[in-house]
Amino acid sequence: QVQLVESGGGVVQPGRSLRLSCAASGFILGTSGLHWVRQAPGKGLEWVGVISSDGDSHHYAEALKGRFTISRDNSENTLFLQMNGLRAEDTAVYYCAIARDSYAYVWGQGTLVTVSP
Amino acid sequence: SYLLTQPPSMSVAPGQTARIPCEGHDIEAKSVHWYQQRPGQAPVLVVFDDSDRPSGIPERLSGSNSGNTATLTISRVEAGDEADYYCQVWDDTTEQYVFGTGTQVAVL
Repeated sequence: QVQLVESGGGVVQPGRSLRLSCAASGFILGTSGLHWVRQAPGKGLEWVGVISSDGDSHHYAEALKGRFTISRDNSENTLFLQMNGLRAEDTAVYYCAIARDSYAYVWGQGTLVTVSP
Repeated sequence: SYLLTQPPSMSVAPGQTARIPCEGHDIEAKSVHWYQQRPGQAPVLVVFDDSDRPSGIPERLSGSNSGNTATLTISRVEAGDEADYYCQVWDDTTEQYVFGTGTQVAVL
């Protein structure tokens, strides 16, 4: 059974950095592209970005370009999201998901990031 | 940027049919996907490529796409269908994944 588990969330001060991880079991991550999607408290889904299976290609939400970076380590079956210059509006649950064609077909349970002084 | 608009909420009685619209310019030219998010849970893909269902999703959930509106239809609504529903497309012009604004479905 495919399972994705996000980690690395927590409380961080504005302006600081944080790196999230997404570990897979029952699935070889290196065979698929991977998304990050976030959801602010009480709000809708917001796409963050996607990375190709080999890590050579990325696409990011326009509003996040330059601050967020997606990377992967296929040898460790892990996906990462590096977030710099965090702001209060980055407070959200962050989900990783396996990409298939133009949709996300398996999602993790998410990790909460709270940006607060 | 490409926008997808959904009604914020709707209510439906058990056994009735819910039709959730997702409006976008010439959306019929795109593949539309739908996710269900129950309270406190992660989203789950329920329809992909306009009208296909992943394994394990009941036939009561179906999708269609025409003109400027894609629709997720839930037939014979059950209490377990109470959730938020989001449509999603890939906008190849901007190379962005776009989610709809989401619809909260309440089962009366």
